[in-house]
Amino acid sequence: DSGVTQTPKHLITATGQRVTLRCSPRSGDLSVYWYQQSLDQGLQFLIQYYNGEERAKGNILERFSAQQFPDLHSELNLSSLELGDSALYFCASSVEIRAGTGELFFGEGSRLTVL
Amino acid sequence: GENVEQHPSTLSVQEGDSAVIKCTYSDSASNYFPWYKQELGKRPQLIIDIRSNVGEKKDQRIAVTLNKTAKHFSLHITETQPEDSAVYFCAASKQGYSTLTFGKGTMLLVSP
Repeated sequence: DSGVTQTPKHLITATGQRVTLRCSPRSGDLSVYWYQQSLDQGLQFLIQYYNGEERAKGNILERFSAQQFPDLHSELNLSSLELGDSALYFCASSVEIRAGTGELFFGEGSRLTVL
Repeated sequence: GENVEQHPSTLSVQEGDSAVIKCTYSDSASNYFPWYKQELGKRPQLIIDIRSNVGEKKDQRIAVTLNKTAKHFSLHITETQPEDSAVYFCAASKQGYSTLTFGKGTMLLVSP
């Protein structure tokens, strides 16, 4: 158990809909990262928050947004869903502000299926 | 931005053989190179990492080597066991930056 909690584990929805994925980081970790994993693209970095503020942005679509709340949990909002958004979404946390300073602890992921 | 290429995409070995996975990176300023293992249906987990001030690091049956000049690093697994079967991801990060760029992964299959 990494200590990172993600909900829901599985989600099936239709095109055009909106979903929210939730992540609770390890106790004491201030950084939260969101990654998208699809079969042919590996782990794609979406966005990072540190202590409530956006820190870095990767290949995140404009239809996607995220935030980190005062209690440090984070939510990833995906809207106007398309078939291609079907993927496994991972949240990871670390105590440091920079990913290059140590281990990222991943949650179990949220598998999104868009029909 | 940083680009990490990983080869091979799949690797099949017999139990007891060695396995080598290679990665190249594009940004010479990158200085942190971790490897993550993801078992089927599980989350990625860090298995070993190396920083640019060392050329090699070992931890029991796994080792990582780094060639800064050539901008490539490799994961070596000796005496492979069936439980080593998983997808392995290499990654790179640049000092002062937050993002960790992953390779596309190598599926390692170890046959008994």
